[in-house]
Amino acid sequence: EAAVTQSPRNKVAVTGGKVTLSCNQTNNHNNMYWYRQDTGHGLRLIHYSYGAGSTEKGDIPDGYKASRPSQENFSLILELATPSQTSVYFCASGDAGGGATGQLYFGEGSKLTVL
Amino acid sequence: GQQVQQSPASLVLQEGENAELQCNFSTSLNSMQWFYQRPGGSLVSLFYNPSGTKHSGRLTSTTVIKERRSSLHISSSQTTDSGTYLCAGGSNAKLTFGKGTKLSVKS
Repeated sequence: EAAVTQSPRNKVAVTGGKVTLSCNQTNNHNNMYWYRQDTGHGLRLIHYSYGAGSTEKGDIPDGYKASRPSQENFSLILELATPSQTSVYFCASGDAGGGATGQLYFGEGSKLTVL
Repeated sequence: GQQVQQSPASLVLQEGENAELQCNFSTSLNSMQWFYQRPGGSLVSLFYNPSGTKHSGRLTSTTVIKERRSSLHISSSQTTDSGTYLCAGGSNAKLTFGKGTKLSVKS
């Protein structure tokens, strides 16, 4: 079973502060993803990556940056957090290479509250 | 971009009844997956099914990729099947999710 670990699992931040959400996968998957989930919107794609050194914009990238320093790690960075970024964030990895989309495996989620 | 319509939005069953969940996509795709989200929030992959029919226990997924649709059939539902079922589809490593079907199975 693929293992995807997110940290922190819960975070309370202040408006204007910097937040980094981290994701680690131990299955050598090429593709990694960051989604947020809000009531009424389902899961929405923020950023994704094809491999170390690559980041791509998803459907709602504004206000977020991503970093993929290695095959195993993918971070989501909120430079100036706002209350509208209060949400549950999910990281996922996929076992397909190149531009394909293989089966996704999700982390447990990180609940972020911005006050 | 890709739009995903899931139906029904919610469903209430008596234990033992069957369910059919639908997913329709607005543009062409080459990847399609079904997930189960537990009431606590964690997501479990049910099927990676870009085409054809796949079975897993009481679950069956059927995808007709050229018609841009997929279905999930749950037979003989159990109370432990309660939760939210999500479909996702796309191409070029980018998956778009539907808003989900919330299933409640009563004993």
